[in-house]
Amino acid sequence: AQSVTQPDIHITVSEGASLELRCNYSYGATPYLFWYVQSPGQGLQLLLKYFSGDTLVQGIKGFEAEFKRSQSSFNLRKPSVHWSDAAEYFCAVGGGFNKLSFGAGTTVTVRA
Amino acid sequence: KAGVTQTPRYLIKTRGQQVTLSCSPISGHRSVSWYQQTPGQGLQFLFEYFSETQRNKGNFPGRFSGRQFSNSRSEMNVSTLELGDSALYLCASSPEGNTIYFGEGSWLTVV
Repeated sequence: AQSVTQPDIHITVSEGASLELRCNYSYGATPYLFWYVQSPGQGLQLLLKYFSGDTLVQGIKGFEAEFKRSQSSFNLRKPSVHWSDAAEYFCAVGGGFNKLSFGAGTTVTVRA
Repeated sequence: KAGVTQTPRYLIKTRGQQVTLSCSPISGHRSVSWYQQTPGQGLQFLFEYFSETQRNKGNFPGRFSGRQFSNSRSEMNVSTLELGDSALYLCASSPEGNTIYFGEGSWLTVV
């Protein structure tokens, strides 16, 4: 069975500081991994994805993530956070037939 | 290219009623999947359709059903609504074996 754990429920970061969101997954085969962001009252926007190849993937809005098979992790990073990055972030692992299993999400608060 | 479109965006229903939600996928996408999002359970997979066939189903009761039409548009139906069905229902579309794109969702409140 596939599953995702996001250990941090809530993170507060100062504007301009770096951000790292943790994600650990469980999946029997080579995983498809995604990070999505959700602003209040909105749907999910794809930030980035990993299917294969280079383990460091670049996404939109200055985000990147690194796939580490040995640690079953796919952590999301951003070097300098903007106030508009305040949102909820979801890590997901993809199985067959476009079925995604999501983590519980991490809420990011950005303080001035 | 237009994104995934879901209608209605907001609706209120009474316990025992049924509801139908509609989803228009991104043009060219043949796979449509549905998810339920609640504060308590998070994001949960409901089912996925491809070329009018349900290929995968999550762990939801039979009150939750869906279908896909020949133009890839999809509907999901929930019968005999319960208070616990109040949620954001998200539709997503994908070209086969590729990235999954979500719509803005339909907010269902059951009173």
